[in-house]
Amino acid sequence: GAVVSQHPSWVICKSGTSVKIECRSLDFQATTMFWYRQFPKQSLMLMATSNEGSKATYEQGVEKDKFLINHASLTLSTLTVTSAHPEDSSFYICSAPVVRELFFGEGSRLTVL
Amino acid sequence: TQLLEQSPQFLSIQEGENLTVYCNSSSVFSSLQWYRQEPGEGPVLLVTVVTGGEVKKLKRLTFQFGDARKDSSLHITAAQPGDTGLYLCAGEPGGTSYGKLTFGQGTILTVHP
Repeated sequence: GAVVSQHPSWVICKSGTSVKIECRSLDFQATTMFWYRQFPKQSLMLMATSNEGSKATYEQGVEKDKFLINHASLTLSTLTVTSAHPEDSSFYICSAPVVRELFFGEGSRLTVL
Repeated sequence: TQLLEQSPQFLSIQEGENLTVYCNSSSVFSSLQWYRQEPGEGPVLLVTVVTGGEVKKLKRLTFQFGDARKDSSLHITAAQPGDTGLYLCAGEPGGTSYGKLTFGQGTILTVHP
């Protein structure tokens, strides 16, 4: 199956700093990628759809200025959490569709102190 | 917005028992997928069902798509501790929502030895 890789797997940062999470499709090209947020023992919450070469589409209630998404190439999408606060601490996951299947990254655990 | 109601939310059983997880919606999906996720990792696709009434088997796991393509079930026979994890159903609305799945709330399964 297709491989999607996320980096970093976990990150700890101070409140007020910005953190960038990368999502790469390793063996295929992805014009679209999805970013999710997941709280402990809960399902995935779609944050935004990342589109290569154009602006991301954000879900209702997600602050686009806080969660910056860039899809600069067909194999890389990035999510930057700007001016992070403790309430931004969460598990962030990306995925990319291949035909009718979604392949997920390993996830990135963000802890904001 | 299409919703998927997944139940039960939590399931704690003994090794060897059978179990069924349900996903129900009032909306039609062009396909439905089941994922399994372990703590600290991204979801992994188990199966995709596309045709109404379709039944797929994966070892001790049986997946069924409802005739009207509005509901699905996952049945596990003789559960083992290795089956422990978060199970997610996800429906593809079809149309132009390529890859933008609607996720159920998830079922946390714990199988005790």
